[in-house]
Amino acid sequence: DQQVKQNSPSLSVQEGRISILNCDYTNSMFDYFLWYKKYPAEGPTFLISISSIKDKNEDGRFTVFLNKSAKHLSLHIVPSQPGDSAVYFCAASASSGNTGKLIFGQGTTLQVKP
Amino acid sequence: DADVTQTPRNRITKTGKRIMLECSQTKGHDRMYWYRQDPGLGLRLIYYSFDVKDINKGEISDGYSVSRQAQAKFSLSLESAIPNQTALYFCATSDLGQGGQETQYFGPGTRLLVL
Repeated sequence: DQQVKQNSPSLSVQEGRISILNCDYTNSMFDYFLWYKKYPAEGPTFLISISSIKDKNEDGRFTVFLNKSAKHLSLHIVPSQPGDSAVYFCAASASSGNTGKLIFGQGTTLQVKP
Repeated sequence: DADVTQTPRNRITKTGKRIMLECSQTKGHDRMYWYRQDPGLGLRLIYYSFDVKDINKGEISDGYSVSRQAQAKFSLSLESAIPNQTALYFCATSDLGQGGQETQYFGPGTRLLVL
């Protein structure tokens, strides 16, 4: 049972435009959400996170939106740059129980065309 | 220098062989994790450890074992490798954040091929 889903395997956008990556989850106990970026031959690197007490968190060109009622989060990249081309994973965890375990989505490959 | 290192970076082995993947970290974190990544499946947790005396199974621990030799070192072993263990393996570390929320930091990965 996939608790965190990224239904779009790939996304292609033009440089300078907005990239929107989506993620859905099913477990209502999740209260912390993260986005990771992964380049080929490298490990995932932390990008941005959001707690369930917020509905938006912004860091430079990256903004994450959380819609708890829809169990949906999205990552917006504005403006998109060719260097943003990578695989993006969303992940979720439930702080209750203090396990810290992250559940990852399948990933979305973003291609930003010059 | 990288905060989380993994050795080897690439490994080819044969079915039935025992192999060990090593992970070291200089971040001073107590928590360490092993994941595998398969195409279309994201990252799945194999084992995790919250300190030297603590080892826990993840969602796909069958066929694997781990050893936490020190706070900075966490190794993953395949006792008898099989072809469906061909995957990309990642080690991660974290420190418990506020409210139980934590961010994990990943090593560069080990690409394993079992023939």
